Amino acid sequence: AQKVTQAQTEISVVEKEDVTLDCVYETRDTTYYLFWYKQPPSGELVFLIRRNSFDEQNEISGRYSWNFQKSTSSFNFTITASQVVDSAVYFCALSERGFQKLVFGTGTRLLVSP
Amino acid sequence: GAVVSQHPSWVICKSGTSVKIECRSLDFQATTMFWYRQFPKQSLMLMATSNEGSKATYEQGVEKDKFLINHASLTLSTLTVTSAHPEDSSFYICSAGGKEGQPQHFGDGTRLSIL
Repeated sequence: AQKVTQAQTEISVVEKEDVTLDCVYETRDTTYYLFWYKQPPSGELVFLIRRNSFDEQNEISGRYSWNFQKSTSSFNFTITASQVVDSAVYFCALSERGFQKLVFGTGTRLLVSP
Repeated sequence: GAVVSQHPSWVICKSGTSVKIECRSLDFQATTMFWYRQFPKQSLMLMATSNEGSKATYEQGVEKDKFLINHASLTLSTLTVTSAHPEDSSFYICSAGGKEGQPQHFGDGTRLSIL
């Protein structure tokens, strides 16, 4: 069975600090897909990134970067020079081969103070 | 980009009322849509998978007669909360996506409050 663990329930930082959100996953499949979504206070889910299990390259998009390590079953997300607008709940999610449905982690609430 | 529209965004109604929530894919055909429920400060829990032209697949513990799902066309799925009670109050969100491994596109969600 698949499972996604986000051990950090809530993180508070001051603007311009760097912050890393952890995600650890479990799956028996060798083909799977990992995602990060952002949920701002308004409630909608915003897609941030997708990774498949065969692509371990790290990715950087502006202030966002992702570190995918199969050896530790982790897919961590780093925000560099955080901003107040980054305040949201961030979800890591997993889907397996043959399935579209997502299994979500419990989410990490990020609060960035001015 | 792909857009999923969910309506209504907010519902307040009396206990015993049935409430219908619509989820539309605006610029793509969705043979499969998903319905999630989210309690305050908690994660999204998948309720059911909505399949166009066939019966929905419900997750364990979700009452089929309580949460009726209809997916009559490739662009519309509806979730009806029948005889709603206060414990059904929650944030309901739908999603639709393309092929396996592709990101889901989410509606903006429906906040349901049962008095």
